[in-house]
Amino acid sequence: GQQVMQIPQYQHVQEGEDFTTYCNSSTTLSNIQWYKQRPGGHPVFLIQLVKSGEVKKQKRLTFQFGEAKKNSSLHITATQTTDVGTYFCAGTNDYKLSFGAGTTVTVRA
Amino acid sequence: DGGITQSPKYLFRKEGQNVTLSCEQNLNHDAMYWYRQDPGQGLRLIYYSQIVNDFQKGDIAEGYSVSREKKESFPLTVTSAQKNPTAFYLCATAPGAASRNEQFFGPGTRLTVL
Repeated sequence: GQQVMQIPQYQHVQEGEDFTTYCNSSTTLSNIQWYKQRPGGHPVFLIQLVKSGEVKKQKRLTFQFGEAKKNSSLHITATQTTDVGTYFCAGTNDYKLSFGAGTTVTVRA
Repeated sequence: DGGITQSPKYLFRKEGQNVTLSCEQNLNHDAMYWYRQDPGQGLRLIYYSQIVNDFQKGDIAEGYSVSREKKESFPLTVTSAQKNPTAFYLCATAPGAASRNEQFFGPGTRLTVL
């Protein structure tokens, strides 16, 4: 079945620095979604990428979908304490999402 | 989220007992999903339903059962056949197919089997 791998599993970031989390699929994806889960909370949808090579930005967050539609990345610039949480990518195929294991981000003030 | 209710937030049960987790939504969404979340493993799909009176197994359906008698409700039963039931259970909804729509998650139920 479809497998979505996400790295790194943990990311410790100094406040103000940038970081990137990566998502790779064993199969070509219809599209990819990103979610954020704050500590103790539930996942909240961030964005969906559909087109090959697509790049979307949300303030300090930049999302990219690979040309082959098998990988994606999330880049955060000037990390803030509000960025703390776990970021999940999820590949879509038909009616199901396959989630990566997530990247858990902690921020040093 | 605002239109999805999962209760209770914390649930304790003895080993060998079946337990039913509730999920109710007022978003008028067709699709509903149950996920299990364990530390370091992300979300794994247990069951999903695209329409009333129909549901399909996800990746880890063994030891679980569901029903979809009403559009608003998608209860999950964790049976005694589930070997490691202690986990965080998340219900989600979507207006249609996962390939085109974001999913909305409920607050989750943390089940602990003693």
